[in-house]
Amino acid sequence: DIVLTQSPATLSLSPGERATLSCRASQSVSSYLAWYQQKPGQAPRLLIYDASNRATGIPARFSGSGSGTDFTLTISSLEPEDFAVYYCQQRGNWPGTFGGGTRVEIK
Amino acid sequence: EVQLVESGGGLVQPGGSLRLSCAASGFTFNSYWMSWVRQAPGKGLEWVANIKQDGSDKYYVDSVKGRFTISRDNAKNSLYLQMNTLRAEDTAVYYCARDRWVQWLVLDQWGQGTLVTVSS
Repeated sequence: DIVLTQSPATLSLSPGERATLSCRASQSVSSYLAWYQQKPGQAPRLLIYDASNRATGIPARFSGSGSGTDFTLTISSLEPEDFAVYYCQQRGNWPGTFGGGTRVEIK
Repeated sequence: EVQLVESGGGLVQPGGSLRLSCAASGFTFNSYWMSWVRQAPGKGLEWVANIKQDGSDKYYVDSVKGRFTISRDNAKNSLYLQMNTLRAEDTAVYYCARDRWVQWLVLDQWGQGTLVTVSS
């Protein structure tokens, strides 16, 4: 199975700051990488698919980039509702594995 | 509005069985691949199983192969997960999710989850 490693594990930032989250794959997944946001007690929500495509209704402050093995999720200016856990997930092959998550917390 | 509503979770003893259901509404159910994803308490996400629109293709993560069975009833707009020989490590919130129409294994709609606890 493809292993996804997310870094950092925790990111402490203030509202208005820029967040940069990393996801590295153990082998190439081409552009088949998605990002999800999960808040406590809630199901995950799709943010980005195929590396750089925003899902329906996702604000433009969320952007994704990368290909092959290295990917980045950027939140240009953190809003209060963006403090959550973020997971990357590959769909290059079955099973569609998830990374361990990055928690974005209020500094 | 798309809705996915899971049911059937609960407390079960090791070695026992449980059947989860997911009622779908607000979209053409038989046009989408569907998935079950689980999350152990305080842990990350793990894909469990995936099923094609007509049920002809099914995929399972290695840890549940031979014990879990995914199925669907398109006439009832429902997805199921039959879980047998349950182990403590199967304890998790189980989410029903819809694969995005043109991107297999991208989950664009999720249910609220149902908790399965395996314990004596």
